[in-house]
Amino acid sequence: TQLLEQSPQFLSIQEGENLTVYCNSSSVFSSLQWYRQEPGEGPVLLVTVVTGGEVKKLKRLTFQFGDARKDSSLHITAAQPGDTGLYLCAGYRAGSYQLTFGKGTKLSVIP
Amino acid sequence: DTGVSQDPRHKITKRGQNVTFRCDPISEHNRLYWYRQTLGQGPEFLTYFQNEAQLEKSRLLSDRFSAERPKGSFSTLEIQRTEQGDSAMYLCASSLRWGADTQYFGPGTRLTVL
Repeated sequence: TQLLEQSPQFLSIQEGENLTVYCNSSSVFSSLQWYRQEPGEGPVLLVTVVTGGEVKKLKRLTFQFGDARKDSSLHITAAQPGDTGLYLCAGYRAGSYQLTFGKGTKLSVIP
Repeated sequence: DTGVSQDPRHKITKRGQNVTFRCDPISEHNRLYWYRQTLGQGPEFLTYFQNEAQLEKSRLLSDRFSAERPKGSFSTLEIQRTEQGDSAMYLCASSLRWGADTQYFGPGTRLTVL
């Protein structure tokens, strides 16, 4: 059983469309991080959310941490081809130092 | 550039050979982590150092794997008697503080075992 479930697993959209990626768990996380990874490279940190209900914006990307700190979402407005990549959510369960990753959402933005 | 660096970026080896990877964390980061990532999966935790002490090892880390961080700076991950199932991306990350701290990843070492 995957501790962090990401959906959808694959997403192919046209440039200019909006999209939302979800990261869900039955466990409580003390923090969640979102990374983007390109083929052959390591994950690059986008944002860390710590407080339940927290919303963070990074240009066209909006990240939300669920009130109960069990889930998170990433919303991209007006997607661009440069947004293409694997989006990974990762979190620390309360009391643990191990970072647990979801399987990722592979996003393709078609020009 | 003061990010996490890994060497080599790619390694192709024959089954049964030994390989060693190096990771240089961000300077002043006390914590260093190793992960393995296979196709279609997110990174999976292998082991973790606080300074030079190896504090935790995942059950994924068989006795063919050994990691060191001798002076609390760079780290090495050695795989002995490689198997085809060891083929994966090996990622290193570092963080400044204990616990729920942001981890910064290196570019990874892609291992292919023939």
